[in-house]
Amino acid sequence: QVQLQESGPGLVKPSQTLSLTCTVSGGSVNSGSYYWTWIRQPAGKGLEWIGRIYASGSTNYNPSLKSRVTISVDKSENQFSLKLSSVTAADTAVYYCARTTVAGAVVDFWGQGTLVTVSS
Amino acid sequence: DIVMTQSPATLSVSPGERATLFCRASQSVSSNLAWYQQKPGQAPRLLIYGTSTRATGIPVRFSGRGSGTEFTLTISSLQSEDFAVYYCQQYNDWPRFGQGTKVEIK
Repeated sequence: QVQLQESGPGLVKPSQTLSLTCTVSGGSVNSGSYYWTWIRQPAGKGLEWIGRIYASGSTNYNPSLKSRVTISVDKSENQFSLKLSSVTAADTAVYYCARTTVAGAVVDFWGQGTLVTVSS
Repeated sequence: DIVMTQSPATLSVSPGERATLFCRASQSVSSNLAWYQQKPGQAPRLLIYGTSTRATGIPVRFSGRGSGTEFTLTISSLQSEDFAVYYCQQYNDWPRFGQGTKVEIK
């Protein structure tokens, strides 16, 4: 059973960079069958796809966030990471890391989510 | 951008009754449509992918239908654990979710 766990600061100041890491267990980020994905959800609102990374390091980002997002993978630690720059209060959300199928962008495993608040 | 619209926003149903949730895409997504269930304080859970294929461990009371732009999720007989928010998601283009339908106890 694959498990994913987000970690990182719960509070980020405006204009700074949000950084989160997802640790994967029970599976490998080096698998060619999956993308490793970040999704977020503002309180009381819907889900927004941020971006994904493949084992090769190839990435796809949400066009609306592309200029501020970087997703990377660390195969030695079996982790992948999210960096979101120049954050504002609108970036306050629960951030989920997830595994998505290569065949289609279907999320079959989710992390528990971590709340990141942007505030001074 | 493909916009996903779910209806109704809230559905009030009695336990044991049937619930039908709707999801409409602003343009065709073929059969590239998934459904997720989310309970308060939890991550979403995959229910259905490919419009009608149940994910591993999902009860048969959950079924999906549709194609192109119109899709439905039906829960044949609501159990207490089914009261939650349900999201549809298209993956024909950049993945996008609908805004959700809350299924509440009537």
